[in-house]
Amino acid sequence: GQQVMQIPQYQHVQEGEDFTTYCNSSTTLSNIQWYKQRPGGHPVFLIQLVKSGEVKKQKRLTFQFGEAKKNSSLHITATQTTDVGTYFCAGDDSGGSNYKLTFGKGTLLTVNP
Amino acid sequence: EAQVTQNPRYLITVTGKKLTVTCSQNMNHEYMSWYRQDPGLGLRQIYYSMNVEVTDKGDVPEGYKVSRKEKRNFPLILESPSPNQTSLYFCASSFVENTEAFFGQGTRLTVV
Repeated sequence: GQQVMQIPQYQHVQEGEDFTTYCNSSTTLSNIQWYKQRPGGHPVFLIQLVKSGEVKKQKRLTFQFGEAKKNSSLHITATQTTDVGTYFCAGDDSGGSNYKLTFGKGTLLTVNP
Repeated sequence: EAQVTQNPRYLITVTGKKLTVTCSQNMNHEYMSWYRQDPGLGLRQIYYSMNVEVTDKGDVPEGYKVSRKEKRNFPLILESPSPNQTSLYFCASSFVENTEAFFGQGTRLTVV
């Protein structure tokens, strides 16, 4: 079955440093979604990427979808303490049938003020 | 307010005692699903439902049941809970499959 690998598992940065998490799928994805989970909270949707090579920005966050639609990345510029949490990617390889979203294991980001 | 509501938020129970975790959404979403979250394993899908009366197994369905009699509700049933079902459970809904998922607040279940 589909596997979605996410690295790194943990990342600790100083406030102001950049952060990147990477997501790789064993199969070609129809789309990829990113979620953030604050400590003690629930996953919250950040963005969905659909097109090959797509790049989207949300303020200091940049999301990319690979040309082959098998990998993705989330980059945060100049991290802040509010960025703390676990970032998950979630991929769909169903091609529209039997839809199933498979989550990566997440990257836990901690930020030292 | 658009939301997914799970109850209870916390539950401690004993092995073998049947329990139900309720999930309700007020957004008229067609797609609903249940996940469990365990340290180091991320979010794993238990069951999902594409619409009323349509449910299917996810990655880890053993020991769980679901039903979807109404569009807004998607309860998770543990007929005979075991300690390996101790976990944090999330219900989620989306307008249709392949769109943004809204998660409930989570239910932390402990089976002793």
